[in-house]
Amino acid sequence: NAGVTQTPKFQVLKTGQSMTLQCAQDMNHEYMSWYRQDPGMGLRLIHYSVGAGITDQGEVPNGYNVSRSTTEDFPLRLLSAAPSQTSVYFCASSSQGGRNYGYTFGSGTRLTVV
Amino acid sequence: AQSVTQLGSHVSVSEGALVLLRCNYSSSVPPYLFWYVQYPNQGLQLLLKYTSAATLVKGINGFEAEFKKSETSFHLTKPSAHMSDAAEYFCAVTEGSNDYKLSFGAGTTVTVRA
Repeated sequence: NAGVTQTPKFQVLKTGQSMTLQCAQDMNHEYMSWYRQDPGMGLRLIHYSVGAGITDQGEVPNGYNVSRSTTEDFPLRLLSAAPSQTSVYFCASSSQGGRNYGYTFGSGTRLTVV
Repeated sequence: AQSVTQLGSHVSVSEGALVLLRCNYSSSVPPYLFWYVQYPNQGLQLLLKYTSAATLVKGINGFEAEFKKSETSFHLTKPSAHMSDAAEYFCAVTEGSNDYKLSFGAGTTVTVRA
């Protein structure tokens, strides 16, 4: 089925380890974003991209890197994991701007840093 | 910058009763407003959106919301709650000049009592 695919679904990391959360969409959407969800705080924007080769920081970018070499993929890299990065991470994509169509969200990656 | 406030982190309703979830926004330009629903261990699903057309917006699963500029509100309602409505609901806003940046409220968890 068309949509946003996130891998892995669950991950446990030790403090200081690095890893990449994968996100892929097959809808040819220009816009892609990464959010983290923490209890009582809703979703907060980490990084976003308006097209291949173009990325920018969101509200909480520290400790995360992104790149967008293709339209389909938008990986999120944790450089040196910290317990404060324990969260649920969602990738989202949209065409023609999120305001017109709303974003399509992936099913999330639940990350625990110990 | 835009922001959203959801009044009430938890709402409990009886099956068949009215569901009312409150959302107030802050935006320096005419906003685009969204309601998303998240079922346990799933991603976010778009319920409905306001994009400056009709002020009363109908969404999926019998939900609707009314945009009131004078009150800066976008409350979500459903006339008769069903057990399947138990979920977390998020209000979100985006501004025209940054339509790829969704700002989310903290969320409201709905419990439906039999």
